[in-house]
Amino acid sequence: AQSVTQPDIHITVSEGASLELRCNYSYGATPYLFWYVQSPGQGLQLLLKYFSGDTLVQGIKGFEAEFKRSQSSFNLRKPSVHWSDAAEYFCAVAGYSTLTFGKGTMLLVSP
Amino acid sequence: DGGITQSPKYLFRKEGQNVTLSCEQNLNHDAMYWYRQDPGQGLRLIYYSQIVNDFQKGDIAEGYSVSREKKESFPLTVTSAQKNPTAFYLCASSITGKVDSNQPQHFGDGTRLSIL
Repeated sequence: AQSVTQPDIHITVSEGASLELRCNYSYGATPYLFWYVQSPGQGLQLLLKYFSGDTLVQGIKGFEAEFKRSQSSFNLRKPSVHWSDAAEYFCAVAGYSTLTFGKGTMLLVSP
Repeated sequence: DGGITQSPKYLFRKEGQNVTLSCEQNLNHDAMYWYRQDPGQGLRLIYYSQIVNDFQKGDIAEGYSVSREKKESFPLTVTSAQKNPTAFYLCASSITGKVDSNQPQHFGDGTRLSIL
């Protein structure tokens, strides 16, 4: 069965600084990977997805993620964080018909 | 606008009562899903349906039931058998039930269920 690990429960970043959120997955075949963002009391919004091809994936809101098969990782990055990026971020890996989510990383942005 | 509507946003239940959470989508998606979210636990799959009149149990189906009589609707009933129902419930849909279709899941805004 597939699994996802997000090692950081909370991360605090200064506004304007760069961001990297870590995601490690376990899956027997070529993974399909996703990053979602959730604001408090809201549903999840898709930031980006990786299915195949270029290992550097661009998403919405200036986010990108890099798939590294050798490290089983799919880390999310943003070069300059804005206060509005404060939210919870979830990495997910796809099985045949369902998604398995990590437990999330809460991003706090300091002024 | 197309999307997923969950209602109500907040729901309160007395001990021993069944409650039903509504999920409606107008995206013409075949597949629909219910997740439960608890603080620090991420999202856990309760039930999913890949097509009308068919559904499968997810990882934590005990104490829950669903129906899929119409393509656009996938209601979730939290029964009295669910001993710890207080949580945030999220409904999602996707074009097909196969994630290799290159189509992700789209989410509603959730229902927060609390026990009185």
